[in-house]
Amino acid sequence: DTEVTQTPKHLVMGMTNKKSLKCEQHMGHRAMYWYKQKAKKPPELMFVYSYEKLSINESVPSRFSPECPNSSLLNLHLHALQPEDSALYLCASSQVGGTGEKLFFGSGTQLSVL
Amino acid sequence: KQEVTQIPAALSVPEGENLVLNCSFTDSAIYNLQWFRQDPGKGLTSLLLIQSSQREQTSGRLNASLDKSSGRSTLYIAASQPGDSATYLCAVRRAGKSTFGDGTTLTVKP
Repeated sequence: DTEVTQTPKHLVMGMTNKKSLKCEQHMGHRAMYWYKQKAKKPPELMFVYSYEKLSINESVPSRFSPECPNSSLLNLHLHALQPEDSALYLCASSQVGGTGEKLFFGSGTQLSVL
Repeated sequence: KQEVTQIPAALSVPEGENLVLNCSFTDSAIYNLQWFRQDPGKGLTSLLLIQSSQREQTSGRLNASLDKSSGRSTLYIAASQPGDSATYLCAVRRAGKSTFGDGTTLTVKP
């Protein structure tokens, strides 16, 4: 199984809503990532978890709250988002360490904030 | 800070042509370089990964090369097909992070 599964595929939320994005992988990868991608732009790194611990936070606003309950799951909790947060949110995973670290991406969640 | 540039930004070719996409980076201290394709509104699909000690990798009609000393990689696509139409991104990796280029949007016309 070389898949990273993201749910939901599409999400529309108001600025006062609370929602969560989910990501799952069963490749035994111990690093998991959240990226944000705006249209016609490259993915921007938001968070990195390594061995279930947050290792990188790219100065992301606190209205985005990541969580890694176990080595296979990664969540992104959303609260009080702004319309400019509308984007494609991508989850990725990889092995940890060495030059063979290869990123595997999920199909993304297209988020619209009204 | 690592900067990654991809040239050209867009490319349109007739079906059957061979083509080259370019990726350059400013810091040669990388672990690896990975090429992806992305269809509109979809996730990234990994095409090839070249480790820092390697010079090239091949998969089917795709060949990627890496020259760390000059900070360059190329993705060669042979006998292009309409199904190859997508955005191609390169990403250089170091210290647990990947830095992406802006991508090249390829259109292959039947």
